[in-house]
Amino acid sequence: TQLLEQSPQFLSIQEGENLTVYCNSSSVFSSLQWYRQEPGEGPVLLVTVVTGGEVKKLKRLTFQFGDARKDSSLHITAAQPGDTGLYLCAGARGKLIFGQGTELSVKP
Amino acid sequence: KAGVTQTPRYLIKTRGQQVTLSCSPISGHRSVSWYQQTPGQGLQFLFEYFSETQRNKGNFPGRFSGRQFSNSRSEMNVSTLELGDSALYLCASQQGSSGNTIYFGEGSWLTVV
Repeated sequence: TQLLEQSPQFLSIQEGENLTVYCNSSSVFSSLQWYRQEPGEGPVLLVTVVTGGEVKKLKRLTFQFGDARKDSSLHITAAQPGDTGLYLCAGARGKLIFGQGTELSVKP
Repeated sequence: KAGVTQTPRYLIKTRGQQVTLSCSPISGHRSVSWYQQTPGQGLQFLFEYFSETQRNKGNFPGRFSGRQFSNSRSEMNVSTLELGDSALYLCASQQGSSGNTIYFGEGSWLTVV
């Protein structure tokens, strides 16, 4: 059983579209992180959210931490082919617990 | 500043053999963690070492072991390899205790045949 459930698992969209990826859990985390992983490389940290209700923006990416610190979302505005990759959420509970990931493909 | 370096990048082993993977953390980082990544299970935590001591351990059988040296370099070993051990093994380093940003290496691709 995954402690962190990500949805959707796969997403294929056209350039310019918006999308949202969800990361849900029944457990509370002290913080939650989002990573992006490209083929042949390790995950790279995008953002860390710590406070319930926190919203962080990174250019066209908007990250939100749920009020109860059990869930998070990643919204991408006007997706570009360069956004293609595996997006992973990870919750901190002593160690990092990762979701299954969302495979995003943005077609030109 | 050099990133996290993992060797070898790719390797093929036979069932029953053992394998050792190596990780050199970013200079000055004292914590090294290992993860296994597979399509079915995603990224799963193996163990974490800090100053040569195992600080945390995931739910993997005893065939998976690791160690850290005084220069913070780390190795992980898998004995009696099984087909299901085929995976990308990722090493990550961070400066000190939890709360710091962790940086991943490119991983070691292990195929067990």
